[in-house]
This record gives sequence, C-alpha cells and structure tokens, in this order.
Amino acid sequence: NAGVTQTPKFQVLKTGQSMTLQCAQDMNHNSMYWYRQDPGMGLRLIYYSASEGTTDKGEVPNGYNVSRLNKREFSLRLESAAPSQTSVYFCASSEWGGGAGELFFGEGSRLTVL
Amino acid sequence: GIQVEQSPPDLILQEGANSTLRCNFSDSVNNLQWFHQNPWGQLINLFYIPSGTKQNGRLSATTVATERYSLLYISSSQTTDSGVYFCAVGGNTPLVFGKGTRLSVIA
Repeated sequence: NAGVTQTPKFQVLKTGQSMTLQCAQDMNHNSMYWYRQDPGMGLRLIYYSASEGTTDKGEVPNGYNVSRLNKREFSLRLESAAPSQTSVYFCASSEWGGGAGELFFGEGSRLTVL
Repeated sequence: GIQVEQSPPDLILQEGANSTLRCNFSDSVNNLQWFHQNPWGQLINLFYIPSGTKQNGRLSATTVATERYSLLYISSSQTTDSGVYFCAVGGNTPLVFGKGTRLSVIA
C-alpha cells in the first residue's frame, strides 16, 4: 500500500527552466493538494483539487500551474522556475474536499533553483 | 482566513520528561490534525481530532473546539519523539498549518 507517491524526490533547476512534479495516490481519495514548506513558515497551500475535474488556488499559487489528470494523479508545474521557488513540495490527499477528511502526505520533493 | 498559532516554538526536553504543545486557532473548524515531521522530513499523522480527546500510546490530544484550542501531550519522551509537531485546522477550506513546535529530546 503505497499511499501518496511523489516524483522526483530531488531536483536542481536553473532559473527559467520548467519542470513538473508528479503525484499519485492509491487510496481512492477525492481531494488532492500541493503544499510547499519553507524554513520557519510551516506548510502553505499552493493549489488543490477538491474532486476530479476541479482545481482551485491556495495561499501561494503564483508561478505554478496544476493538472488533475484523473482521480489518482495531480501534477504541479513550474513554467519558468525562480530562486524563490526553492522549497520542499508536498503532495497530499484526503477522502473529502474542503477542510474535512484526514490528510495524508507524500514524502516530499526537494527542489533547488539556482 | 483561519489563523493558527502554536506554542512554544521550540522545546528541549530530557528523555523521560512530559510536555504539552498548544495550538490556538481563530475561527470555527470542523477538522483538526496533529502531525509529526521527523528529522528525515516525513510528515506522519498523529491525530485527527476536530473535538474531544484521543490517546495513542504515550501521546494524547484534546481539542476544545468551542474555545478554539487543541493540546498535544507527550509523556515519557524518547529521543525518537524529536522533530517538528504541526497543528493544522480546516473549516470549509483546506487545512491551514501552524508554524510548528520544534522538539528536541536529549538522552
């Protein structure tokens, strides 16, 4: 039982490059989320998808795009990476959308933008 | 949006000591979770506790939703308890996280 799986685990980019973080869950959850974690800031929500076919902005959406590919997969894309996007990115899922339902996290993806 | 404040920000304990971590939030919620982030960065679910009291081994949690706070109790602390403890709350929106309490347990 893998739970929430993120790839890649580590990535180094140069300013201006693009990349996509992939996330998949096998718990048949309806809702999926992308958070970023910066030192001293806790976790901040970038985007979320309450259900298949919907996406919504979170607290810090600028510079990111997302795609809910199907019920299992939710990807996060950086079109033109900036040093300010150096962070650890966590994907999460929950059975129900909004604030309800227990949240489960992937292991994180550490991104460095030079 | 909902504001979440955790205290203390840092805590150092001798192995075997007990501790209480606090989470205050600014609005009504229907979801509250406690997480432990271990030194390797993994976020581990501790409790899903929008109200009431739960216990799991040496850890227990209490949420008093009407007074907008939750407490996480750690008894007989061990070095493996070290890491950052996050409280996260949600109303009708996704979970909002506090900045965490960094716990260091010294042998």
